[in-house]
Amino acid sequence: KAGVTQTPRYLIKTRGQQVTLSCSPISGHRSVSWYQQTPGQGLQFLFEYFSETQRNKGNFPGRFSGRQFSNSRSEMNVSTLELGDSALYLCASSSTSGGSSSYEQYFGPGTRLTVT
Amino acid sequence: QKEVEQNSGPLSVPEGAIASLNCTYSDRGSQSFFWYRQYSGKSPELIMFIYSNGDKEDGRFTAQLNKASQYVSLLIRDSQPSDSATYLCAVLMDSSYKLIFGSGTRLLVRP
Repeated sequence: KAGVTQTPRYLIKTRGQQVTLSCSPISGHRSVSWYQQTPGQGLQFLFEYFSETQRNKGNFPGRFSGRQFSNSRSEMNVSTLELGDSALYLCASSSTSGGSSSYEQYFGPGTRLTVT
Repeated sequence: QKEVEQNSGPLSVPEGAIASLNCTYSDRGSQSFFWYRQYSGKSPELIMFIYSNGDKEDGRFTAQLNKASQYVSLLIRDSQPSDSATYLCAVLMDSSYKLIFGSGTRLLVRP
């Protein structure tokens, strides 16, 4: 089975711009979660989508948004980029949602975003 | 108090030794616990999960869970230099159904 894929792998943007990141989960997985990883803050949960519905949300500003399509692929959008948004953005897929006790998540390779 | 706490390390062990990595969590109702390994510049890789009190073994890895003490650990037997990485503990919070990660423990296995 193919793993989680993320595109693009690297991105350089300027402050004030917006960016869209894409994630394709493992075939058959319906849950996609997004995380931001920085050296200072570690791995921070952004949001989770399950069957096209946002099931959970972390403590990030409204500039961070996402969606999930009927084929379970997900996109994450960050508007009005700030320097502090520079990070590794990871998506993870699971066959179940966070409401299930069986919630093994598998990560994609990540998108490295640099904001200048 | 952080929701999931780990010692940042580095934890340095000689090759062939047992490495013991520890994690405590704050949500007493949490039921699901995960260990991820992350090599520098790579994404986290799931290596163990445990849902019941006690030990769970998989090859050289053993996960131990003590819900009464809100404590989960990972033992790596016969440590190899290739085990050198950051190990992330993750807990599915019963209160929010969010998977919360600790900050990770860096493990260094000396040849």
